[in-house]
Amino acid sequence: DQQVKQNSPSLSVQEGRISILNCDYTNSMFDYFLWYKKYPAEGPTFLISISSIKDKNEDGRFTVFLNKSAKHLSLHIVPSQPGDSAVYFCAASPNTGNQFYFGTGTSLTVIP
Amino acid sequence: NAGVMQNPRHLVRRRGQEARLRCSPMKGHSHVYWYRQLPEEGLKFMVYLQKENIIDESGMPKERFSAEFPKEGPSILRIQQVVRGDSAAYFCASSDEETQYFGPGTRLLVL
Repeated sequence: DQQVKQNSPSLSVQEGRISILNCDYTNSMFDYFLWYKKYPAEGPTFLISISSIKDKNEDGRFTVFLNKSAKHLSLHIVPSQPGDSAVYFCAASPNTGNQFYFGTGTSLTVIP
Repeated sequence: NAGVMQNPRHLVRRRGQEARLRCSPMKGHSHVYWYRQLPEEGLKFMVYLQKENIIDESGMPKERFSAEFPKEGPSILRIQQVVRGDSAAYFCASSDEETQYFGPGTRLLVL
């Protein structure tokens, strides 16, 4: 049972525009959320996180929004750059332990 | 501070052989996770370990796969009698109880 879902397997965006990647979860016990970026043939790298006490966290061009009532989070990249082209995974962790649950990833392509 | 180390980076095995994948967590991290990424698929959780303990192995296949994280030394993911379907990228991650940090992965190819 997939507790963290990324329903869009791929997304294409023009350079300079906004990229919005979405993630939904089902477990109300999740209280910490992370986004990872993965290039081919490399391990995922941590990008940005948010705890459930916040609804927004910003780091440079990257902003994560959390809507707890909808069990939805999104990653906004503004402005998008060709180097942002990668697979993005969202992940969630419950307040009851140290496990992490990953989505299946969204492949972002930023077109120059 | 060295990141998560995995070796080997590439491993080729014939069907029926054993594969051993090693993972050294980041310094100070006592939580290790193994994931598998099959071609064209996302990351699949396999097992979560702390030193000398398996915490959650709900993602591990019931046969041929085992994992350990001894008191000293790296975590080992062991696959016995490999089959072609085991060909995948295997990623290890370690955490400081907030964020997981991933290694570069081991790409296993079973001929």
